Amino acid sequence: GAGVSQSPRYKVAKRGQDVALRCDPISGHVSLFWYQQALGQGPEFLTYFQNEAQLDKSGLPSDRFFAERPEGSVSTLKIQRTQQEDSAVYLCASSLGVTDTQYFGPGTRLTVL
Amino acid sequence: QKEVEQDPGPLSVPEGAIVSLNCTYSNSAFQYFMWYRQYSRKGPELLMYTYSSGNKEDGRFTAQVDKSSKYISLFIRDSQPSDSATYLCAMSEYYGQNFVFGPGTRLSVLP
Repeated sequence: GAGVSQSPRYKVAKRGQDVALRCDPISGHVSLFWYQQALGQGPEFLTYFQNEAQLDKSGLPSDRFFAERPEGSVSTLKIQRTQQEDSAVYLCASSLGVTDTQYFGPGTRLTVL
Repeated sequence: QKEVEQDPGPLSVPEGAIVSLNCTYSNSAFQYFMWYRQYSRKGPELLMYTYSSGNKEDGRFTAQVDKSSKYISLFIRDSQPSDSATYLCAMSEYYGQNFVFGPGTRLSVLP
């Protein structure tokens, strides 16, 4: 069956541009997570949804980062006025429930010039 | 000091060797410990998880947790070239929530 998919796989943005990153979770998965993975580092938690409700956004680094999951399936992570320090791989993961195994997508590699 | 420390490697071993990967951590509230494998340009995939202290074995993989020392290990027996990847430890106070990942150890198994 299909796993978690993310698009685009690669995104190059000029500093100050807005970007939108998409995550398609596994069908039927209630929980959805976003992580940021800098080069040579492990993933860092950004935010978590249960269905359409954003239950934890404690990891979002600034108010330039915004995530939504309006219908409880596809999620979008938006970064406004991108900065060079936003360059990283953004990973999405989904799970049946919050305590179930998380399945990760391949990530979107964002490069801000 | 970071909350979870892990030797970044790279670690190169010959095929068939026993590999030992380790993480140390500082937060004594962590109860769930996980090991993920991440191939290049892919997302992490869960290999094993353990709760509290003790050992857990799954095929060629064995995970050990020593909470008193705040130290966890992953052993890979009879390593294969297909095991070449980055291995990430992760831990949390509650399963499934707010994982804290280590930076990962890059492993190369040479044929």
